[in-house]
Amino acid sequence: QSVLTQPPSASGTPGQRVTISCSGSSSNIGSNYVYWYQQLPGTAPKLLIYRNNQRPSGVPDRFSGSKSGTSASLAISGLRSEDEADYYCAAWDDSLRVFGGGTKLTVL
Amino acid sequence: EVQLVQSGAEVKKPGESLKISCKGSGYSFTSYWIGWVRQMPGKGLEWMGIIYPGDSDTRYSPSFQGQVTISADKSISTAYLQWSSLKASDTAMYYCARSDYDFWSGYLFDYWGQGTLVTVSS
Repeated sequence: QSVLTQPPSASGTPGQRVTISCSGSSSNIGSNYVYWYQQLPGTAPKLLIYRNNQRPSGVPDRFSGSKSGTSASLAISGLRSEDEADYYCAAWDDSLRVFGGGTKLTVL
Repeated sequence: EVQLVQSGAEVKKPGESLKISCKGSGYSFTSYWIGWVRQMPGKGLEWMGIIYPGDSDTRYSPSFQGQVTISADKSISTAYLQWSSLKASDTAMYYCARSDYDFWSGYLFDYWGQGTLVTVSS
């Protein structure tokens, strides 16, 4: 059972802006950084956002992260077909259940 | 370039032992934590445990404590995940990943290995 709650699915059409939410508590998101990972079909997870809103080198600026209180969001603008993937939020929690359940993004 | 290269897929029978590996390159292997993440078929990510190769300090999730052993050989920049007696429920993809620990990030990961598929079936 994840302590971070994500919607199981999201969808959008090419060019659209979509957001994926991640809800936690004071023991995880409320007191620690949020990370986001993208897992393309059949591949390993890849770091997309770290420390709430920082992008690693090579990640397009179409991807952005934000955090407010005990919730966080990942926004993807200019949606592309290659963005179809599973997205996981993560935040450190002393329970060590640090990952959200994942959101499957479908590009229609 | 940071790389984590994992050993190949394994097919084992219940009760057998197994040790899978993760070789790091492109960075100072002894200066970062290496963790393991389980992904069962069609499911999400689970944080299993982590090791600091510099001094072999190891932490386990309570869910995996006693079920697996994490180790590292810094002389060959390789971390390991092992089972002494596999169960069918251990069937999953296992990823190693690097962590640059800080107080507010905890042991979250930046670089990931490609994954090792472990299948346990009689």
